[in-house]
Amino acid sequence: DSGVTQTPKHLITATGQRVTLRCSPRSGDLSVYWYQQSLDQGLQFLIQYYNGEERAKGNILERFSAQQFPDLHSELNLSSLELGDSALYFCASSVTPVSYEQYFGPGTRLTVT
Amino acid sequence: GIQVEQSPPDLILQEGANSTLRCNFSDSVNNLQWFHQNPWGQLINLFYIPSGTKQNGRLSATTVATERYSLLYISSSQTTDSGVYFCAVDSRNFNKFYFGSGTKLNVKP
Repeated sequence: DSGVTQTPKHLITATGQRVTLRCSPRSGDLSVYWYQQSLDQGLQFLIQYYNGEERAKGNILERFSAQQFPDLHSELNLSSLELGDSALYFCASSVTPVSYEQYFGPGTRLTVT
Repeated sequence: GIQVEQSPPDLILQEGANSTLRCNFSDSVNNLQWFHQNPWGQLINLFYIPSGTKQNGRLSATTVATERYSLLYISSSQTTDSGVYFCAVDSRNFNKFYFGSGTKLNVKP
C-alpha cells in the first residue's frame, strides 16, 4: 500500500458525460501528479500540482481539468467524454515537486461506452 | 520532450533465470524510478535511482547518469515477477515525468 488513495476504483459512463476522479496524497506529501494509461498511448503525464498551485502540464486535453484543494487532495475532471478517454487514471504524490520519489495510487479505471 | 527507451520490449524467462532490463534516456534527469506494474494494474515502486546503484533483495538497479542509461537486474526470477517494468524520468529541462514503453516480463514455472 503506497498510502495514496484514489476513488472510485471503477467508473463506467457514456460518451458526452462528465466525471470527477479523486485522489488523496500520502500524509506529508505536497505534490500531486495525474497520469493516464491507455493501450495506444502508454503512461502519460497529465498535470502536476504543488501545494495547491499548478506546477507542470503534460498532455492534458482542454476537456480535462484538475485542481488541488487546501487539504491537498486533488480532483481530475473529465468532460465531454469520448470513447478514446477510456483508460486507467493514476494519481501519484511526492514530498516536493523535484527530485523526490513519486508514489502511485491504485488507479481509477474509466470505461466510456 | 525527453525520450525514454526501454529494452527488450518483451522477455520470457524460466523460473530461476536472471535478466537485465535497460532504460536509455535522452536528457539530463533529476529523478529516475523503476516500477513494476502487476497483472492487476498496480504500479509498485522498485527503485528511486537518479544515479548510483541500489539493491533490494533479488532486484538491483544501476544508473549511469553521465551516459544516460539505467539497468534493472532481476536474479533468480519467480513467477510473481511477471508483469510490466517501467522506467520513468523527470527531466531537468522539461519539468515533467516521462515513462518508457515498458518491458513485459513473463516468468514461466
